[in-house]
Amino acid sequence: NAGVTQTPKFRILKIGQSMTLQCAQDMNHNYMYWYRQDPGMGLKLIYYSVGAGITDKGEVPNGYNVSRSTTEDFPLRLELAAPSQTSVYFCASSQGTTDTQYFGPGTRLTVL
Amino acid sequence: RKEVEQDPGPFNVPEGATVAFNCTYSNSASQSFFWYRQDCRKEPKLLMSVYSSGNEDGRFTAQLNRASQYISLLIRDSKLSDSATYLCVVTSAGKLIFGQGTELSVKP
Repeated sequence: NAGVTQTPKFRILKIGQSMTLQCAQDMNHNYMYWYRQDPGMGLKLIYYSVGAGITDKGEVPNGYNVSRSTTEDFPLRLELAAPSQTSVYFCASSQGTTDTQYFGPGTRLTVL
Repeated sequence: RKEVEQDPGPFNVPEGATVAFNCTYSNSASQSFFWYRQDCRKEPKLLMSVYSSGNEDGRFTAQLNRASQYISLLIRDSKLSDSATYLCVVTSAGKLIFGQGTELSVKP
């Protein structure tokens, strides 16, 4: 039981490049989330999903897109990378909306 | 006003000390409360849930005051391994809202 996995662990992008951050969970959780965490700051919700085929915006969705074609996977897409998107990205999943969230190890992204 | 506010610290304490963190929240309709722990450059992990009657887990005690809308975490007999950032988490509109965290550094 791997829990929540994320790839890649680290990535450097040039301004304007695109990439997809991968997230998968094997706990059969319906709810999945993407957060970003800037240095010394709390977690900010980017997007979330309540089940396969259903996604919704969080607090800071601009510049990102998501899809949820299966219960297990919840990729996050950056279309035109900007320096403001330099951050650590965490994916999480939970059984219900107010239940414990389990986090992946994070992806450290730098946009230069 | 932020939905969840914490003193960012850092709190620098010697081993064996007792330290307390407070957290305030703005949504009086919040129903669930948690403390998460985040080690440097790692993912957050659940430390404990916070129940209305207060709850204890070893050296850790969590309290909830709904009237004043604050949550506290007390750590007794601090260990070096307790050094981390402690995140206060509150539910709001069906989502978890994370505070910015309180940094604790326990020194020998």
